[in-house]
Amino acid sequence: QVQLVQSGAEVKNPGASVKVSCKASGYTFTGHYLHWVRQAPGQGLEWMGWIHPKKGDTRHAQKFQGRVSLTRDTSVDTAYMELRMLTSDDTAIYYCARQVGISSLWDYWGRGTLVTVSS
Amino acid sequence: QTVVTQEPSLSVSPGGTVTLTCALNSGSVSTANFPSWYQQTPGQTPRILIYDANRRSFGVPDRFSGSILGNKAALTITGAQADDECDYYCVLCLSSAIWVIGGGTKLTVL
Repeated sequence: QVQLVQSGAEVKNPGASVKVSCKASGYTFTGHYLHWVRQAPGQGLEWMGWIHPKKGDTRHAQKFQGRVSLTRDTSVDTAYMELRMLTSDDTAIYYCARQVGISSLWDYWGRGTLVTVSS
Repeated sequence: QTVVTQEPSLSVSPGGTVTLTCALNSGSVSTANFPSWYQQTPGQTPRILIYDANRRSFGVPDRFSGSILGNKAALTITGAQADDECDYYCVLCLSSAIWVIGGGTKLTVL
């Protein structure tokens, strides 16, 4: 069965970086876009970007320009989201989600990774 | 900056019908934006309800339907039930393959 297993919770100091992983199983990793979405405590969902694991193509929201890197390692079927220069506003649950084909069906989601930025 | 606007909150009576909408500040929403709708209960991962404007995801009850109404995407819940009370998010794809998520609608069933 399809699974997206994310890395564990992180606590970071302001100014630091965090790298969250999303390990895929149960399907062909290189065949589907993966999106990254975050949700701050008590707030709504926010789209961060996507990666297509086959070639590593990416797009991200302009808000994260210069701060986010979306990468993948096809040898271990894992996608990564690195966010740099963290502030308290980056405290959130970070999700990865699989897209089906050229559609807006994001059918499987990871359980989320809580990143807390605090001094 | 592109902004997607949803009603912050709506209420519906049990058994009633309610329509949630999703608007773009930059123009009309169309099927080319691949509108989708997600349901999220507190502490849970978002669940896809509707994708590609009007396609119901597997296992989603047919009381949920998606459409384009005028210049907005819409999610209609017909015969609302108590466990429909949660947050609903609209997601749109822009022409540059950038996606954007609305601020969400908190639905109350009372």
